[in-house]
Amino acid sequence: NAGVTQTPKFQVLKTGQSMTLQCAQDMNHEYMSWYRQDPGMGLRLIHYSVGAGITDQGEVPNGYNVSRSTTEDFPLRLLSAAPSQTSVYFCASSYAPGVNEKLFFGSGTQLSVL
Amino acid sequence: GNSVTQMEGPVTLSEEAFLTINCTYTATGYPSLFWYVQYPGEGLQLLLKATKADDKGSNKGFEATYRKETTSFHLEKGSVQVSDSAVYFCALNYGGSQGNLIFGKGTKLSVKP
Repeated sequence: NAGVTQTPKFQVLKTGQSMTLQCAQDMNHEYMSWYRQDPGMGLRLIHYSVGAGITDQGEVPNGYNVSRSTTEDFPLRLLSAAPSQTSVYFCASSYAPGVNEKLFFGSGTQLSVL
Repeated sequence: GNSVTQMEGPVTLSEEAFLTINCTYTATGYPSLFWYVQYPGEGLQLLLKATKADDKGSNKGFEATYRKETTSFHLEKGSVQVSDSAVYFCALNYGGSQGNLIFGKGTKLSVKP
């Protein structure tokens, strides 16, 4: 089982560059989300989606865009990278949005913006 | 607003020691509570959960009881192993159709042989 797959695992960008972090899941999950993990901050929700064609903002959405054209994929786009976006990014999914649903996480993308 | 507070780390224990990681929460309504674990170089995995007051979640020797009166969900294990070394996150789900989680800052546990 592949589960939740994130690519790339590591990325270095220069300030102002753009890039897309990829996330794919093969479990037919309706709910997908992006978190960033920073030291001493825990995980903070960036964007989420409750199904194909539906996205919404989380706690820290500025500087990021998402789209959900298929159930399987949920890419995260950085439009103009800034050093403040240096972080570890996690994609997560669950069968359906809801209070008791277990989240499945990818292994993360470590991003450095110089 | 909704929030989760967990004890600062790092926590260093010897093998077979007793573990407690404190977690308290602030929430409107009746959230579900979770503990997730992150092993080095990996994503988070669900360790255990409790969905209503007085529920006890348990898994792999870890336990946590949902205490509504003290708004707490402390993680305990009677005898830790080196393989338990990881970062532990307390989280709550504040409901609604989105089912989004709010995480604590994480507590790093190191277990020495």
